Amino acid sequence: SQQGEEDPQALSIQEGENATMNCSYKTSINNLQWYRQNSGRGLVHLILIRSNEREKHSGRLRVTLDTSKKSSSLLITASRAADTASYFCARDSGGSNYKLTFGKGTLLTVNP
Amino acid sequence: KAGVTQTPRYLIKTRGQQVTLSCSPISGHRSVSWYQQTPGQGLQFLFEYFSETQRNKGNFPGRFSGRQFSNSRSEMNVSTLELGDSALYLCASRGGNNQPQHFGDGTRLSIL
Repeated sequence: SQQGEEDPQALSIQEGENATMNCSYKTSINNLQWYRQNSGRGLVHLILIRSNEREKHSGRLRVTLDTSKKSSSLLITASRAADTASYFCARDSGGSNYKLTFGKGTLLTVNP
Repeated sequence: KAGVTQTPRYLIKTRGQQVTLSCSPISGHRSVSWYQQTPGQGLQFLFEYFSETQRNKGNFPGRFSGRQFSNSRSEMNVSTLELGDSALYLCASRGGNNQPQHFGDGTRLSIL
């Protein structure tokens, strides 16, 4: 079963607007990762935020992490049509039994 | 550096057959993981290999198996294919703890 939940499930915005996606999880994490997936393709890694970090930036992307609330958010500023994709958060719980646990994702549509 | 390479990209099989999918990780990466993605179940972890050893396995039947070679390349095998095995199979590699996973473009498996 999936332990990460993104919301909203779908988001439609105009080019130039900001898009915010949220992710909640239930158990402790080593780090949390955000990925983008264009239709029918593999996942592209966006940002990894460690459990002791609160915020990270990469270009137009900003990720926050609140471990007390077990939640994270991904902000895409000044969105472009090319940002249209599904976005997933994935929990790395660490340890020797490594795996990523994914949420169901947010489908972002950026209209030109 | 070349990314994660998966072959073949597309595969069509019939029920009862078996299939082998291949994955070449990023050079230097010793951890290789496999995931299944379907519209209904989303992204689900299959297994993770490190230095030719399976370190973790997801909740899939024994028909799903894998292996890793000394050069870190990995294969997964699905025997006695069922209609429900139709999915995008994704391979990912990573370079170490608290490092992101990098995904290939996947193999789209269709069962007729």
